[in-house]
Amino acid sequence: DTGVSQDPRHKITKRGQNVTFRCDPISEHNRLYWYRQTLGQGPEFLTYFQNEAQLEKSRLLSDRFSAERPKGSFSTLEIQRTEQGDSAMYLCASSSDTGGNPTYNEQFFGPGTRLTVL
Amino acid sequence: RKEVEQDPGPFNVPEGATVAFNCTYSNSASQSFFWYRQDCRKEPKLLMSVYSSGNEDGRFTAQLNRASQYISLLIRDSKLSDSATYLCVVGGGDSWGKFQFGAGTQVVVTP
Repeated sequence: DTGVSQDPRHKITKRGQNVTFRCDPISEHNRLYWYRQTLGQGPEFLTYFQNEAQLEKSRLLSDRFSAERPKGSFSTLEIQRTEQGDSAMYLCASSSDTGGNPTYNEQFFGPGTRLTVL
Repeated sequence: RKEVEQDPGPFNVPEGATVAFNCTYSNSASQSFFWYRQDCRKEPKLLMSVYSSGNEDGRFTAQLNRASQYISLLIRDSKLSDSATYLCVVGGGDSWGKFQFGAGTQVVVTP
């Protein structure tokens, strides 16, 4: 399977714990995005990377959230001191950076990590 | 006000009928427009990009109206398999890599 993969698929944690999610993009894609989706809403942009550089972060991404893409391949999203409001589906997507303006390129999504904070 | 707004539906459509719905966006600098499809508890998948001149892909037709800042999706000859949530996506307004999703329009095709 050469699609976007995410691990774990489900995570249940207690309030105050730290959690880390991993995303492996499609191998030739150099752009990687993180989104958060809650029930009845569309995905909300969190951050994106071009190669290893984090180019933008949403205001939604408080200082408890940190994302990395150290070698320009896989990425991790860490949430520290989780709160019940962090419960959501965390989606990762990747896209290529070819053909000029990358804003026109299709994003391929992974299956998501569903986080439940008790 | 949300940057991308959609009618949540549901649109209940008899099989074989036509359904159309819109999405409005607030950032006039937006450069790219898409419709994604999301099935229940699945990840979003690209349905089609939306071009300035409008475009068609089989039974699906998308239109962009930059003056009024909305995009539309029309589905002809609806199939049961078209039942899904359709997400409007707008990109490139604030930066190349930032995409805003609408909350989605639910379509239910009935036999």
